[in-house]
Formats: sequence, C-alpha cells, structure tokens
Amino acid sequence: NAGVTQTPKFQVLKTGQSMTLQCAQDMNHNSMYWYRQDPGMGLRLIYYSASEGTTDKGEVPNGYNVSRLNKREFSLRLESAAPSQTSVYFCASSETDRGNGKLFFGSGTQLSVL
Amino acid sequence: AQSVAQPEDQVNVAEGNPLTVKCTYSVSGNPYLFWYVQYPNRGLQFLLKYITGDNLVKGSYGFEAEFNKSQTSFHLKKPSALVSDSALYFCAVRKASGGSYIPTFGRGTSLIVHP
Repeated sequence: NAGVTQTPKFQVLKTGQSMTLQCAQDMNHNSMYWYRQDPGMGLRLIYYSASEGTTDKGEVPNGYNVSRLNKREFSLRLESAAPSQTSVYFCASSETDRGNGKLFFGSGTQLSVL
Repeated sequence: AQSVAQPEDQVNVAEGNPLTVKCTYSVSGNPYLFWYVQYPNRGLQFLLKYITGDNLVKGSYGFEAEFNKSQTSFHLKKPSALVSDSALYFCAVRKASGGSYIPTFGRGTSLIVHP
C-alpha cells in the first residue's frame, strides 16, 4: 500500500544544474500537486494537475516546470537550479480537486542547491 | 482570497495536560477546514476535517477540533497530550464552492510535549 511515492529523497545540486523530481501515486487519484516547504513559510503550492492532461500554476511557479505523464505520475523539473530553490518538496494527490477530500502526501525530497 | 493564520510558531505542553493549537481562517463563503500533522522527515498526514454539521469534529489519535464560525476559528485540541504527539501541525482551508478548490495551508505550529 505505497500511496504517494517520491524520488529521490535527497539531492544536492550546483547552481545552474537541472533535475527532475518524480512522483507517482497508486490510489487512482485524478488530482496531483507539488508543494515546497520552507521554515516559517509553511507549504506553498508550486503547480497542480486537476486531472490527467491539465496543469496549472500555483503560488510560486517561477523556475519550475511540470509534466503530468499519465494518471499516476506527476514530475517537477528544475531547469536551472538556484540557491533560492533549496527546500523540501512534497508531492500530494487527491481524488479530485473539487471534492471535500483530503490530500495524501509523499515523504518529501530534500533539495540543496549550492 | 483565502488564508489561514496559525498565530503560534510553537506550543509547549506537559504530558497529560490538555493541548490547543490555534487556527483562524479567512475565506468568502462557507469553508472546508483541515488539520494535518507532520512527523520528522515525513510527509503530512491527514488528522481531521470540517465540512458541515456538528461544530466539534473528532479525528485520528484522539484529536478533535472546534469550528467557530463567528470567530472564524478552527482550533485543534486534545484532552491529554502524549510525548508522541510532538510534531508540526498544519491548518488548511478551502472554499466549499466556487473559486479555487486548492487548499491554502498555514505556516505550521510546532507542538512540543514534555515528559
């Protein structure tokens, strides 16, 4: 019963490098989300996908791109990493974006950009 | 716009004592309200939610929360704290209908339960 799986768990990048964070859910959820968590800032939404084939910007989308590869998978790409992107990244999913349901979160990716 | 305020960065309580973690919200129309908990090096886990009906909502691990519409608050409570309750707690709000359905999270409150 995996739920939401994120890879990698830890990553260190140099400024300007690129990388992709992977996320997959096995709950047949329609909606998926990427958040970043910074001390004192709480969770801020980067991008979300209400359903397969759609993506939308959240509160802090600059410097990121996303791909909803299929219903299960939603990846987050940093094209040219910057120190300001040092953060903990969480992927989440929900049955839909319109219900009253809860979000299910992955265990996070701790990213450091030097 | 919708927003959540968690006025306390940290709450300290002795084991066995009651605990309260405060949350106030702002949203136009009726709210859906949530509490999540985050243990160290883990993702957030759902604790409870208010959708409609009874203002006192019961959730996981003995937690409960009271919805107060006049004070726009949704405080998390537990009658008797355990050391294992020590974690980061997040309140979240979203509109019941219309507008954005994406929940907005508060900044989090660190709960420390002392033995």
